[in-house]
Amino acid sequence: DAGVIQSPRHEVTEMGQEVTLRCKPISGHNSLFWYRQTMMRGLELLIYFNNNVPIDDSGMPEDRFSAKMPNASFSTLKIQPSEPRDSAVYFCASTLTGLNTEAFFGQGTRLTVV
Amino acid sequence: AQTVTQSQPEMSVQEAETVTLSCTYDTSESNYYLFWYKQPPSRQMILVIRQEAYKQQNATENRFSVNFQKAAKSFSLKISDSQLGDTAMYFCAFMKLQGGSEKLVFGKGTKLTVNP
Repeated sequence: DAGVIQSPRHEVTEMGQEVTLRCKPISGHNSLFWYRQTMMRGLELLIYFNNNVPIDDSGMPEDRFSAKMPNASFSTLKIQPSEPRDSAVYFCASTLTGLNTEAFFGQGTRLTVV
Repeated sequence: AQTVTQSQPEMSVQEAETVTLSCTYDTSESNYYLFWYKQPPSRQMILVIRQEAYKQQNATENRFSVNFQKAAKSFSLKISDSQLGDTAMYFCAFMKLQGGSEKLVFGKGTKLTVNP
């Protein structure tokens, strides 16, 4: 398996534009997590899914953020409209919960909003 | 809500020496996992070691070992014979096991520098 795949690796956008980040989890994994990493706040859990169902979105900062998981092999995190304070590295991770649970991370998307 | 606290924002150690990174967590759960992840400058998150809460024996992985104190809710990472390649951010993480609602929460990290 190629691991968790995120796209794009880098994104530069202007304030007010819509941004969509994509994630393909490892095949067979049943949980998917979206994180935002900044120097000030570290790794913040934004939302996580189990069996494609959003379980906890309490970490989503505001209504401008939304996430979907239409099937087991794809998830998106959308920011509309984007703001400069959204600049961060966004990680997706997936896991198969149970024995030997381990979360595997994608390479992250570095988002810069100017 | 579960919280994970890493009280050492930065640490440094000389090559070949031993260093211990601290982590405490707060939970009312009895069934959970604890992890240490490493993030080198490449940004990739790499699992270093994992501990199941029901296991009393401390986990070890080569030069990495943990001191798991369940009653004290403490989970420290010891790195022996430190190497230059150990320079990275280290994150402690907690995952409760709740049949379909496992949530993985991280501390703010400790930046470790190994000096030659």
